[in-house]
Amino acid sequence: DGGITQSPKYLFRKEGQNVTLSCEQNLNHDAMYWYRQDPGQGLRLIYYSQIVNDFQKGDIAEGYSVSREKKESFPLTVTSAQKNPTAFYLCASSRTQETQYFGPGTRLLVL
Amino acid sequence: GQQLNQSPQSMFIQEGEDVSMNCTSSSIFNTWLWYKQDPGEGPVLLIALYKAGELTSNGRLTAQFGITRKDSFLNISASIPSDVGIYFCAGPRGSTLGRLYFGRGTQLTVWP
Repeated sequence: DGGITQSPKYLFRKEGQNVTLSCEQNLNHDAMYWYRQDPGQGLRLIYYSQIVNDFQKGDIAEGYSVSREKKESFPLTVTSAQKNPTAFYLCASSRTQETQYFGPGTRLLVL
Repeated sequence: GQQLNQSPQSMFIQEGEDVSMNCTSSSIFNTWLWYKQDPGEGPVLLIALYKAGELTSNGRLTAQFGITRKDSFLNISASIPSDVGIYFCAGPRGSTLGRLYFGRGTQLTVWP
């Protein structure tokens, strides 16, 4: 089946630890995105990539890092510099630059 | 900061009722998108609007692209329990390609 997969569904982070969230798509989409969602708020863009080996910061990139070595994959690392990492993280991809399709999300919790 | 103003923030309705929600922006959008998010899942695209004045339906859902290009509306007719979720409007801004801005969402609760 074509689609976007995110893993794991739930992730726990200890203080001072870096964690990496996986996002894979087999839709042959060029662009991929990472969003953060907090209760009662809209989705906020962390990073996006329109082509392999290139990515741009979104509105809340501080404390996060990404890589885009393959078209299918866009992993997000939440670093220890992100002081409030507890949130629901959503990955999306698109062929056009407007119609984005989302994965099922990863919920990150800090222990 | 937040680019889109979505209202209402939440709605509590009885099964069978119609629902209306809207989204406004201080800037012109050339595309409006409406997504639905079920609890604990990613948003799913419901309707995409590409032309001012456009009215598009998807089953019991109808969305309109405002003439001013600064607003959009989503209506749900004859609501059912599975309509429960958060509805988001979204749109790109001008030449900022690849960036979608989202409203804060409308939380819909449907009582049987």
